[in-house]
Amino acid sequence: AQKITQTQPGMFVQEKEAVTLDCTYDTSDPSYGLFWYKQPSSGEMIFLIYQGSYDQQNATEGRYSLNFQKARKSANLVISASQLGDSAMYFCAMRERGGTSYGKLTFGQGTILTVHP
Amino acid sequence: GAGVSQSPSNKVTEKGKDVELRCDPISGHTALYWYRQSLGQGLEFLIYFQGNSAPDKSGLPSDRFSAERTGGSVSTLTIQRTQQEDSAVYLCASSSTSGPYNEQFFGPGTRLTVL
Repeated sequence: AQKITQTQPGMFVQEKEAVTLDCTYDTSDPSYGLFWYKQPSSGEMIFLIYQGSYDQQNATEGRYSLNFQKARKSANLVISASQLGDSAMYFCAMRERGGTSYGKLTFGQGTILTVHP
Repeated sequence: GAGVSQSPSNKVTEKGKDVELRCDPISGHTALYWYRQSLGQGLEFLIYFQGNSAPDKSGLPSDRFSAERTGGSVSTLTIQRTQQEDSAVYLCASSSTSGPYNEQFFGPGTRLTVL
């Protein structure tokens, strides 16, 4: 079964508008972490934001926020005030912690975001 | 400070040859991970090392793949008798285990092409 599902292969947004990238996950581990990474065309993976399963509030980092709905097992990334430089592939990933602070990431298939001027 | 570095950046090899890919993690990071990214399979976990613990090799696709980490720092991923389906970008990442997120920092990758 797919552990991380990103249902939007591609998304388009107008510059300065907000966009939501969807991510749903599946796990039986009560302790897990959710990550979003950005991969521009240059190829490097850039960490954007983290949400822990026990965090009470939605994570925010500058223009990035995470809409975490634990009961629905979704962790959507919201990018506000899109910029041309936001055009990239975005990956949702999960670390099933099992009580540890390290472990492999399971990635979704990614969403290609294109920001139009 | 310096990020994760990988070498070579590109490797072209012939089917059946062995290749070695190198990863230098961020200094002080005790956890080191290898992933592979290909068009058909997306991003797949291969193996990770944490401190002196036995590595988690659960993602290695076959016994042609192996990895070692010497002195708790540099890691080498070895692919023996390469096949065309091994063509992919191999990404290395490292992380701390004492931070708030312990996010993984990725290197630029090694693009492997098997002819």
